[in-house]
Amino acid sequence: AQKITQTQPGMFVQEKEAVTLDCTYDTSDPSYGLFWYKQPSSGEMIFLIYQGSYDQQNATEGRYSLNFQKARKSANLVISASQLGDSAMYFCAMRGHNTNAGKSTFGDGTTLTVKP
Amino acid sequence: ETGVTQSPTHLIKTRGQQVTLRCSSQSGHNTVSWYQQALGQGPQFIFQYYREEENGRGNFPPRFSGLQFPNYSSELNVNALELDDSALYLCASSSTGAPYNEQFFGPGTRLTVL
Repeated sequence: AQKITQTQPGMFVQEKEAVTLDCTYDTSDPSYGLFWYKQPSSGEMIFLIYQGSYDQQNATEGRYSLNFQKARKSANLVISASQLGDSAMYFCAMRGHNTNAGKSTFGDGTTLTVKP
Repeated sequence: ETGVTQSPTHLIKTRGQQVTLRCSSQSGHNTVSWYQQALGQGPQFIFQYYREEENGRGNFPPRFSGLQFPNYSSELNVNALELDDSALYLCASSSTGAPYNEQFFGPGTRLTVL
């Protein structure tokens, strides 16, 4: 079984500052992927960044970086230089690298509000 | 290359009715997954279809059923609708063997059950 925990229901950040969204996970899969998605009020789930369980380096995608600490089972998202358009719901998710590859387990999300 | 599309965008039904939601997967993707997202919660996995067969199911009752067609598009059917079925239903497509099994989501269908 897989479980994702996001302990911050809501976060506020000042425009242009950095913010860290927390995510811890639990799984029995030996190989897995960790994902972060952004969901604006329109509802679409926008892929942000991916980290494989065997990747040696932390993933980065533009202003997004993933602070992966495998021993602590954490995969925190760091957003640098926050913009007003970053205000949205953010979900951490994981998928096992197996035949049931379409099954993602999501956390309950963190609502990020960027203040001008 | 077209992305994942879903129809309809919004739907209002009454308790006890049946509903069919549709999803067209991204070009080249052979796996479709369906998720239910209740208000204020993360998406919950309903089931996955691969090569027209159900290949994995979450904790949902049998009145949630689906189909996948030869062109990899998919339907989600829900019978005997209950008030708690009100949610955003997300479809996601992926391809086995693709880098990290990347999964792309559609815009969702918002179902309201009265």
